[in-house]
Amino acid sequence: EVQLVESGGGLVQPGGSLRLSCAASGFTFSSYAMSWVRQAPGKGLEWVSGISGSGDETYYADSVKGRFTISRDNSKNTLYLQMNSLRAEDTAVYYCAKDQQLLVPSWLDPWGQGTLVTVSS
Amino acid sequence: DIQMTQSPSSLSASVGDRVTITCQASQDISNFLNWYQQKPGKAPKLLIYDASNLETGVPSRFSGSGSGTDFTFTISSLQPEDIATYYCQQYDNLPLTFGGGTKVEIK
Repeated sequence: EVQLVESGGGLVQPGGSLRLSCAASGFTFSSYAMSWVRQAPGKGLEWVSGISGSGDETYYADSVKGRFTISRDNSKNTLYLQMNSLRAEDTAVYYCAKDQQLLVPSWLDPWGQGTLVTVSS
Repeated sequence: DIQMTQSPSSLSASVGDRVTITCQASQDISNFLNWYQQKPGKAPKLLIYDASNLETGVPSRFSGSGSGTDFTFTISSLQPEDIATYYCQQYDNLPLTFGGGTKVEIK
């Protein structure tokens, strides 16, 4: 069974940093692209970032480009999202999701349970 | 970025009713369109990929159609467990973009 478990969320002040992790199991991790998607409280879904199976290719939404960095450790079956210069508008539940392709994000299934990031002073 | 416009934003229907949701892309995305279901407090779940392909294990009352810019998602006979918000998502171009969601409630 494919499982994705996010961790690392919490309360952080504006301008601060946080690193999210997503531990994957139940599939050959390096064979699939992965993505982070966020959902602000009461709002819709926003794709944040994606990474190819090898980690060589990374992709970002304009809203986080230059502030967030996606990475993966295929030896540990773990996906990361380093978030710097956090803003109030980054407050959201962050989901990691497995892609169905190797190189470029396409359709996402399954998703983790999400981890809440709150940016507030 | 490709904009995805979903309608309606919410609907109320009776058990057994046929429910239809539309999604319009701001440019031609061929069939690179997926549908997700999100129940309250839960993560989204993929229902349909490539516009019309049912994900394994998803009940056959769910279906999708369309290509180009106009897409439709249908629940043929609404069940109580279908109460959720439904999202379309395109992957023709990055960034991946989602529609605004359609909240489905029981009348």
